[in-house]
Amino acid sequence: DVKVTQSSRYLVKRTGEKVFLECVQDMDHENMFWYRQDPGLGLRLIYFSYDVKMKEKGDIPEGYSVSREKKERFSLILESASTNQTSMYLCASTLRDGMNTEAFFGQGTRLTVV
Amino acid sequence: QKEVEQNSGPLSVPEGAIASLNCTYSDRVSQSFFWYRQYSGKSPELIMSIYSNGDKEDGRFTAQLNKASQYVSLLIRDSQPSDSATYLCAVGDYNQGGKLIFGQGTELSVKP
Repeated sequence: DVKVTQSSRYLVKRTGEKVFLECVQDMDHENMFWYRQDPGLGLRLIYFSYDVKMKEKGDIPEGYSVSREKKERFSLILESASTNQTSMYLCASTLRDGMNTEAFFGQGTRLTVV
Repeated sequence: QKEVEQNSGPLSVPEGAIASLNCTYSDRVSQSFFWYRQYSGKSPELIMSIYSNGDKEDGRFTAQLNKASQYVSLLIRDSQPSDSATYLCAVGDYNQGGKLIFGQGTELSVKP
């Protein structure tokens, strides 16, 4: 059974804290993505990675950074958490097989910044 | 213009009716198109993918793609209350490293 696992289901952090969200996939997928989901806004792409140590900015990268040191792991970092980063964060992975293929999602991390 | 745009809804249909969900995209070179379903409190799950112009049918679901009009749609026949969910359109561009962009989603409610 394919699996994308996010390290936490719920997180509460204080303003100004450095926050790490971890995502691990066991499918040997090349592509990994971080999205945030807010009511009425759908899934907005923060960053994605198509290979180890490679990263590309998505539509809303400000205030975030990422790290991909191993193929199976993609980390999202909030350098200094702010209340407007309170959201649901979803990690996903896909194969690169000539075309985009099915994206598998983690269970999501609901982050609250107080 | 947003890269991927959907009618935000909510869309309400009676049980047994056809639900029609629409999506437009701005990047002409996009190659891959997907419909995901997301139940409240759950992660999105793939229900249809389509790569070529025309229709693709899978059970009660039909995806339609028109690349010239930059338009993709999803028809759900014989709608059931269990189809009530948010439907997300996604567009992929392999030439941008496999970038995958989602629309804002359309909430569908099927009334018994």
